[in-house]
Amino acid sequence: GQNIDQPTEMTATEGAIVQINCTYQTSGFNGLFWYQQHAGEAPTFLSYNVLDGLEEKGRFSSFLSRSKGYSYLLLKELQMKDSASYLCAVLDSNYQLIWGAGTKLIIKP
Amino acid sequence: GAVVSQHPSWVICKSGTSVKIECRSLDFQATTMFWYRQFPKQSLMLMATSNEGSKATYEQGVEKDKFLINHASLTLSTLTVTSAHPEDSSFYICSARVTENQPQHFGDGTRLSIL
Repeated sequence: GQNIDQPTEMTATEGAIVQINCTYQTSGFNGLFWYQQHAGEAPTFLSYNVLDGLEEKGRFSSFLSRSKGYSYLLLKELQMKDSASYLCAVLDSNYQLIWGAGTKLIIKP
Repeated sequence: GAVVSQHPSWVICKSGTSVKIECRSLDFQATTMFWYRQFPKQSLMLMATSNEGSKATYEQGVEKDKFLINHASLTLSTLTVTSAHPEDSSFYICSARVTENQPQHFGDGTRLSIL
């Protein structure tokens, strides 16, 4: 079966750095996406990784290791507005997007 | 770029009413559009995948006669919840993408409440 694992919930302090991990087992791989979803709102696209390595975009970075079936989203200089759920999703061999259950990130002052 | 507009944002109606939700890609042509449902504090659940000009592909357990999807053009897809009942109350979200390896871009969602 296809499976994506990410922690259910994480807590971090404003101004700090947090890393949200995602491991996957899918039938094929055509890329991995990270989305942010604030409570009561629709998801917004954050990043896309298809090759191994780190992609940096401002305060957010995303890393991929295809051989390990592993990705992480790194958030620096945390702000209160970063409190949200972060969804990991993998595009399988049929270009079907397999969604993780999301990680709820709580930022404390 | 990549803006998806979804209307209406909120719908409150009586049981038995049919409700139509529109999803438009404003600045790109969407080969494929997706419809999701999300209950409070739960994960996104894909309901159906819609390609322009062809019939939608529904996920297991989703009644195609209850959730009618039309994807008449490369910029518009509609979801009609027919004869809605209180258990259909949920947050419905559409998304659109250009090609298979492009990200899905989401509309703002429609909060549906059936009384």
